[in-house]
Amino acid sequence: DARVTQTPRHKVTEMGQEVTMRCQPILGHNTVFWYRQTMMQGLELLAYFRNRAPLDDSGMPKDRFSAEMPDATLATLKIQPSEPRDSAVYFCASGLGRTEAFFGQGTRLTVV
Amino acid sequence: GIQVEQSPPDLILQEGANSTLRCNFSDSVNNLQWFHQNPWGQLINLFYIPSGTKQNGRLSATTVATERYSLLYISSSQTTDSGVYFCAVDLYAGGTSYGKLTFGQGTILTVHP
Repeated sequence: DARVTQTPRHKVTEMGQEVTMRCQPILGHNTVFWYRQTMMQGLELLAYFRNRAPLDDSGMPKDRFSAEMPDATLATLKIQPSEPRDSAVYFCASGLGRTEAFFGQGTRLTVV
Repeated sequence: GIQVEQSPPDLILQEGANSTLRCNFSDSVNNLQWFHQNPWGQLINLFYIPSGTKQNGRLSATTVATERYSLLYISSSQTTDSGVYFCAVDLYAGGTSYGKLTFGQGTILTVHP
C-alpha cells in the first residue's frame, strides 16, 4: 500500500530547540511538497522539490527553516530555533511531475 | 494574485441529504484536486480533476476549466462525510504552471444523524 510516511507524528518541544521532521515519499514519485496548516492561515506551501532539486521555498521563513532531500527516499524540514508561532501541523506530500499529489498524515508540532 | 475560493464556508446537513460544494479559481489550471480532511486530520484524495466529470460512489466532481470553477457533489450524505473539504489547484499564472497546489480555505461539512 503506497503512502507518504511522516515522522514523528507528534512533537512537543521547548522554544529555542531544533526540530527535524522527516518524510518518505511514495516510491517513484519525483516531486515532494512541504505544507503547513494553521487555523489562521489554512494550508500554505512552504517548499517543494522536483528530482531532489528545490524549486520554490519562498513560503518558508529563511532565517529559521530549512528543507532538504538527502536522497530520493527522504525529505527533511528543520526549524532552528523553534518558536511558539511555529506550532502547526506540517504535511509532506509527493507526486509524479505535475500530476496528483498524495499527503502524509502530518506532524503535529507544539512549541512551548 | 492567485486565488482559490470555496463556498459555502460551512454546511450543516441531515443524514441522507445531498450537497454541492463549489471552488472558483482565478486562472487556467494544470491540476485540480479535491480532498477530504477527516476529524483525525488526514487529507484524503477524493478526485484529481483538471477538467471533465468523475464519479466515485456517492461523490462526483465536475470541473469547467473554461469558466474557472469546479463542483463537488455529495449525495445521500452520511455522518462519516463530516470534515473539511478542500479544493487545491495548480494554476497557470502568466502562462506558466508551477506544479504546486494552492489550497482554498475549505468547506466545513457537518452531517447530523
